[in-house]
Amino acid sequence: DIVMTQTPSSQAVSAGEKVTMSCKSSQSLLYSENKKNYLAWYQQKPGQSPKLLISWASTRESGVPDRFIGSGSGTDFTLTISSVQAEDLAVYYCEQYYDTPLTFGSGTKLEIK
Amino acid sequence: EVQLVESGGGLVQPGRSLKLSCVASGFTFNNYWMTWIRQAPGKGLEWVASITNTGGSTYYPDSVKGRFTISRDNAKSTLYLQMNSLRSEDTATYYCTRDSSSSDYWGQGVMVTVSS
Repeated sequence: DIVMTQTPSSQAVSAGEKVTMSCKSSQSLLYSENKKNYLAWYQQKPGQSPKLLISWASTRESGVPDRFIGSGSGTDFTLTISSVQAEDLAVYYCEQYYDTPLTFGSGTKLEIK
Repeated sequence: EVQLVESGGGLVQPGRSLKLSCVASGFTFNNYWMTWIRQAPGKGLEWVASITNTGGSTYYPDSVKGRFTISRDNAKSTLYLQMNSLRSEDTATYYCTRDSSSSDYWGQGVMVTVSS
């Protein structure tokens, strides 16, 4: 199974600050045939279902603010929020869909100071 | 507008069965794979099952293989999850998702509690 490791487990930032969170996979998620990384980021706000933010490591979903930026390739990935807003309070999960079993990281909880 | 509405959850005793349903609307159901993902109280996300758009192939993690069965009725735009031999560790909110490689739409979730 591919193990997904997210760090930090939680972080607190002030509104307007930049935040980065990491997701590392135990094996490469880059498929050589199409040069795509099979990595997604989800946001789960309190009491809500998860929401897909980014697929293919860096493709923002329609309607997702451009302050959310996904980057990385292979085994190391990053989600950056360029200027955190109060409504970004949530847990952020990464997921690999390179192979079954599909696996998720344990999440990064973002708190707003 | 894409909508996924789960139902069928509740309290069930260990060893018993339960069947979840998910009614889809707002997209062409038979064009998409579908996936169930669960979340135990206060915990992270766990993949439970996936099914191809035709229903011809299904996929499960070891934790539920042999106990859970995913199926679909494309004529009714409905996804199912038959859960047998339930255990306390199956207690979770179960989400129905549309599978576009990643899960691009999620239902509101349905709670399943396995307890005596």
